[in-house]
Amino acid sequence: SQKIEQNSEALNIQEGKTATLTCNYTNYSPAYLQWYRQDPGRGPVFLLLIRENEKEKRKERLKVTFDTTLKQSLFHITASQPADSATYLCALDRNAGNNRKLIWGLGTSLAVNP
Amino acid sequence: GAVVSQHPSRVICKSGTSVKIECRSLDFQATTMFWYRQFPKKSLMLMATSNEGSKATYEQGVEKDKFLINHASLTLSTLTVTSAHPEDSSFYICSARPTGTSGGRYGYEQYFGPGTRLTVT
Repeated sequence: SQKIEQNSEALNIQEGKTATLTCNYTNYSPAYLQWYRQDPGRGPVFLLLIRENEKEKRKERLKVTFDTTLKQSLFHITASQPADSATYLCALDRNAGNNRKLIWGLGTSLAVNP
Repeated sequence: GAVVSQHPSRVICKSGTSVKIECRSLDFQATTMFWYRQFPKKSLMLMATSNEGSKATYEQGVEKDKFLINHASLTLSTLTVTSAHPEDSSFYICSARPTGTSGGRYGYEQYFGPGTRLTVT
């Protein structure tokens, strides 16, 4: 079955540094991959979507890469701020007939220390 | 833009009663909405896909008679947990996919509601 792995341990970094989160997947070739942010007790918030034919995508301080050979996506936050502290979720599409669905990773908790 | 609301945000009910959770897309139309539940330290678990005007598609292992889904309009889907039991206590989250996004090879994002914390005593 499809499996998604994200850094299981919390990531602690200093304000101003670049945070790098990893998403690895097996047994599947998704057409696209998404990253979401989730704060405690809240629903996820969409951040970025990257397609299988795209190597990299940027949005402000965020950058996502997608290596379909390695079956890996990296999510970077540059010039990190304490407000970036949250759990970041990786999700892959799974085509299921007429209804495309997302498969979710467990998420990586990021703490940015001032 | 792309705001999804959920109501109630928190509900406590007695075992055996039913609870209805509403999910609304406030500034866009959503032909498709999704219902998830999430346990602490666990990933989002898709329960069902709700399509406006048709029956919901439930994931394997999800009892459709227990979790009733109605998607009566392009901006509203409801989830009713019938005869709730303590093991149904969880964080329920809905998401919506804007109408007009093909969902094909180009992908689409989902917009999530803030979630509903259900506690069954």
